[in-house]
Amino acid sequence: QKEVEQDPGPLSVPEGAIVSLNCTYSNSAFQYFMWYRQYSRKGPELLMYTYSSGNKEDGRFTAQVDKSSKYISLFIRDSQPSDSATYLCAMGGGSNYKLTFGKGTLLTVNP
Amino acid sequence: GAVVSQHPSWVICKSGTSVKIECRSLDFQATTMFWYRQFPKQSLMLMATSNEGSKATYEQGVEKDKFLINHASLTLSTLTVTSAHPEDSSFYICSALRGGGTEAFFGQGTRLTVV
Repeated sequence: QKEVEQDPGPLSVPEGAIVSLNCTYSNSAFQYFMWYRQYSRKGPELLMYTYSSGNKEDGRFTAQVDKSSKYISLFIRDSQPSDSATYLCAMGGGSNYKLTFGKGTLLTVNP
Repeated sequence: GAVVSQHPSWVICKSGTSVKIECRSLDFQATTMFWYRQFPKQSLMLMATSNEGSKATYEQGVEKDKFLINHASLTLSTLTVTSAHPEDSSFYICSALRGGGTEAFFGQGTRLTVV
């Protein structure tokens, strides 16, 4: 079993839809969780960072962490064509600060 | 804030030559930076951890003599691909940890093509 599992998609939704992206993990040592957005041929951009179970909201984005189920989610409300990108979940917790990434989900929002 | 600049954004070089890629944290100090490699439609593969003032820590299978990392200051880490070969062609990305925190901010990446 891989440490972090993420459905690679692709996921295609109409503009305005609510998007749900998910990752599961097996390592209970992970303490903090991030979501990155990566456009083609660009570096990842940090969208959300959280270290506790529960919800964290920032504009149209909501990150959800359930440590008991080892499950994290990113919700995008009112999705826009500009949200079309690959979304990577990442998590860490060791003293070496290394991150473990999911494979990424390719999202396309159609106008 | 939290801007990481990577240079160059793309480079083409001949086989056998060396290429240096710079990673700078523009508005914060970074004692720790990371170097990744990414193949098309793949996730990021960690190559090494770069710590200011000390030797880099390489992941298993990464040749430290081929991928030289120098973290000479709190805002600059460099990756030098030595004696480059076509199989080294890839997208290289750096990230930096802000202050003593755990949030990692990425550069825009460098596309290396070895011909």
